[in-house]
Amino acid sequence: KNQVEQSPQSLIILEGKNCTLQCNYTVSPFSNLRWYKQDTGRGPVSLTIMTFSENTKSNGRYTATLDADTKQSSLHITASQLSDSASYICVVSDRGSTLGRLYFGRGTQLTVWP
Amino acid sequence: EADIYQTPRYLVIGTGKKITLECSQTMGHDKMYWYQQDPGMELHLIHYSYGVNSTEKGDLSSESTVSRIRTEHFPLTLESARPSHTSQYLCASSSGVNTDTQYFGPGTRLTVL
Repeated sequence: KNQVEQSPQSLIILEGKNCTLQCNYTVSPFSNLRWYKQDTGRGPVSLTIMTFSENTKSNGRYTATLDADTKQSSLHITASQLSDSASYICVVSDRGSTLGRLYFGRGTQLTVWP
Repeated sequence: EADIYQTPRYLVIGTGKKITLECSQTMGHDKMYWYQQDPGMELHLIHYSYGVNSTEKGDLSSESTVSRIRTEHFPLTLESARPSHTSQYLCASSSGVNTDTQYFGPGTRLTVL
């Protein structure tokens, strides 16, 4: 069973609008949570990373939040642009091994229309 | 922009052929990884390496093999390709610090006919 669940599975918004993507996880013990952006046919690129003690982290128009108590995270995109069209993947790392194993969500496919 | 490269980007090959997917990074990272990703699905770790001469199998069973003779190079080989191997293969590397970020290559889209 996937320990990282993302919603919605897909989302269409108009250019300039804001949107929020959700991530719920059950990974334990928790080490950190990352949001990646994956353009079609490309490898994922890291947007933000948050550890247990961090509640929010921004990267330009991207703002991620983390509630470690409820094991939920969100990624808010402000003033969307056409180039934001991509899959956004939530990735949680555990601290149970030296590898720092990563658990991947299936991603939210975001499409921004002009 | 991550300095990690994969070749070929696309490969269409017949059943039974031997193939090698290349991955190289110029960041001096010790840890390297291979993931398999089907459309709309999560990435699955199939191989990883802590450094030269270190290779381990990941969570998803794979008939592929890997080698790590040089720090910068982590090729993946399929001795006899089958249609079930059709997928996207992503290579990644990281510096090895606990909260480090994995940097991904552009991927190889493999189709086995």
